[in-house]
Amino acid sequence: AQRVTQPEKLLSVFKGAPVELKCNYSYSGSPELFWYVQYSRQRLQLLLRHISRESIKGFTADLNKGETSFHLKKPFAQEEDSAMYYCALGGATNKLIFGTGTLLAVQP
Amino acid sequence: GAVVSQHPSWVICKSGTSVKIECRSLDFQATTMFWYRQFPKQSLMLMATSNEGSKATYEQGVEKDKFLINHASLTLSTLTVTSAHPEDSSFYICSASRRGTEAFFGQGTRLTVV
Repeated sequence: AQRVTQPEKLLSVFKGAPVELKCNYSYSGSPELFWYVQYSRQRLQLLLRHISRESIKGFTADLNKGETSFHLKKPFAQEEDSAMYYCALGGATNKLIFGTGTLLAVQP
Repeated sequence: GAVVSQHPSWVICKSGTSVKIECRSLDFQATTMFWYRQFPKQSLMLMATSNEGSKATYEQGVEKDKFLINHASLTLSTLTVTSAHPEDSSFYICSASRRGTEAFFGQGTRLTVV
């Protein structure tokens, strides 16, 4: 069965500190992993996807098939990074299964 | 990026009535649209997958007679909550995509059943 696990509901860090939002997945096929972000009062938007291997707003995520993980990282958090982050798993059908989300709070 | 628009953004209805929510892809043709439900402070729960011109595929536990989905064109999908009850109050979100591309999300519709 497809499943996405984000163990942390809330992650609070100080500005300038490193950030790692954890995501683990369960999928029998070839997964597509995504990170979506939802800023306060805005719609969900794509942050990055594993196949593009790009860095967006300083965030990176590496797919580790051995550990079935796709953790989101940023070396130096900014206050504007405060938002809800969702890890999502996609498959052949294009549908996305979302994790429960992690609220990132960056303190000044 | 592509724009997906939902209408209405919020609606209040009486218990027992039906409510229709529209999801439109404004500047692209969406082969697939998805409907999600989000409870307060919780994640998005996929309700159904809607492909243009065919019946929607519902996730386990979602009542297809309760949540009617129609995907009449490549730019429009509708979700009708039939005989709504207070427990149907929620935030409903749609997304639209073309095969092989990212999904774009609507702004969501807040449904309150009184």
